[in-house]
Amino acid sequence: DAGVTQSPTHLIKTRGQHVTLRCSPISGHKSVSWYQQVLGQGPQFIFQYYEKEERGRGNFPDRFSARQFPNYSSELNVNALLLGDSALYLCASSFPPPYNEQFFGPGTRLTVL
Amino acid sequence: DAKTTQPNSMESNEEEPVHLPCNHSTISGTDYIHWYRQLPSQGPEYVIHGLTSNVNNRMASLAIAEDRKSSTLILHRATLRDAAVYYCILRDVMGQGGSEKLVFGKGTKLTVNP
Repeated sequence: DAGVTQSPTHLIKTRGQHVTLRCSPISGHKSVSWYQQVLGQGPQFIFQYYEKEERGRGNFPDRFSARQFPNYSSELNVNALLLGDSALYLCASSFPPPYNEQFFGPGTRLTVL
Repeated sequence: DAKTTQPNSMESNEEEPVHLPCNHSTISGTDYIHWYRQLPSQGPEYVIHGLTSNVNNRMASLAIAEDRKSSTLILHRATLRDAAVYYCILRDVMGQGGSEKLVFGKGTKLTVNP
């Protein structure tokens, strides 16, 4: 069975540019969450989408936005990139409770120069 | 968000049991305790979760203190493949409709020696 897939694997951008990251959840999962992981830290929650609606937002600026499509795939957009946005961006999908396990993709490594 | 405290690193020998501690003194009555691990160059992977009672699965066991202010993840026989960062997380459920977020700390880096 295919797990959570993310694209691209790696990305290099310059300050001020815009980036779009993509995530395909496991078949049957309707919830997608996005996390940012800076080197040496644990992942930090950015967004959660369930049934195409935003269900949660972490403490990130408005430069970060996301959406979920009818097929439950998702995009994370970041505008006006800063050097500090360099990180591993992780996508996770899950069934709603009572199922408790979130399945993470391998991530997209974003480098901002 | 409820906080957890874990040692920065631990070391173990292959084939020996490993006990990874976690303190969560501010846990609320409805917080579930989750453990995830992250192998090098991979996304986090679910290990186990529990509420009040001790739990076992094919990967590990979770021992929860009676007052729920601490827990211990137990790997019964560590292998080299268990070398990873282990995160103890209190699940934060937001609103209705099955929403939740995971609040990760820095975790415990487990080194397994051959």
